[in-house]
Amino acid sequence: AQKITQTQPGMFVQEKEAVTLDCTYDTSDPSYGLFWYKQPSSGEMIFLIYQGSYDQQNATEGRYSLNFQKARKSANLVISASQLGDSAMYFCAMRKDNAGNMLTFGGGTRLMVKP
Amino acid sequence: GAGVSQTPSNKVTEKGKYVELRCDPISGHTALYWYRQSLGQGPEFLIYFQGTGAADDSGLPNDRFFAVRPEGSVSTLKIQRTERGDSAMYLCASSKTGLGKLFFGSGTQLSVL
Repeated sequence: AQKITQTQPGMFVQEKEAVTLDCTYDTSDPSYGLFWYKQPSSGEMIFLIYQGSYDQQNATEGRYSLNFQKARKSANLVISASQLGDSAMYFCAMRKDNAGNMLTFGGGTRLMVKP
Repeated sequence: GAGVSQTPSNKVTEKGKYVELRCDPISGHTALYWYRQSLGQGPEFLIYFQGTGAADDSGLPNDRFFAVRPEGSVSTLKIQRTERGDSAMYLCASSKTGLGKLFFGSGTQLSVL
């Protein structure tokens, strides 16, 4: 079975600074994908970034980067130059390849950006 | 529409009643997913459709929950004899195939009184 753990229930960051949101996972599958989603108060889950288990380089998407450490089974999200609009819930999720697109989500981290 | 549409956005019902939640995926997306998100938790998988058929319904909690997608586009999640524990946000998502990026709707907040 797959499991995603996000150990930080809440995080504060000063506007314009960088912040790292932690995510560790547990799986016995050799091929899998890791995702980060943002959920603002409106409720919609917004895709941020994806990392495949065989990708050699860490994924980047604009201000978002994923610090993928396969041996440690961690996939931390780094947000650079935080903005007030980044305040939201952030979820790490994992997909087992060749099993449809079903995602297993972590419990989430609430990020609050201070002006 | 441009995104995944879910209706209603809010549903309040009484214990024991029947409810239907609707999801209209992005046009052309063959894969459709239902998730349930309890307060303060991450979403939990319920069921996955590929076309008209349920490819995986292992996440449905019990036989009070049922979902259909008769024409391979709109899906309806049906809950019979609702219980207070069914209160949650029900999220729908779609993807172009079974592997592409998931696009989520804004959800239906179900409250069972």
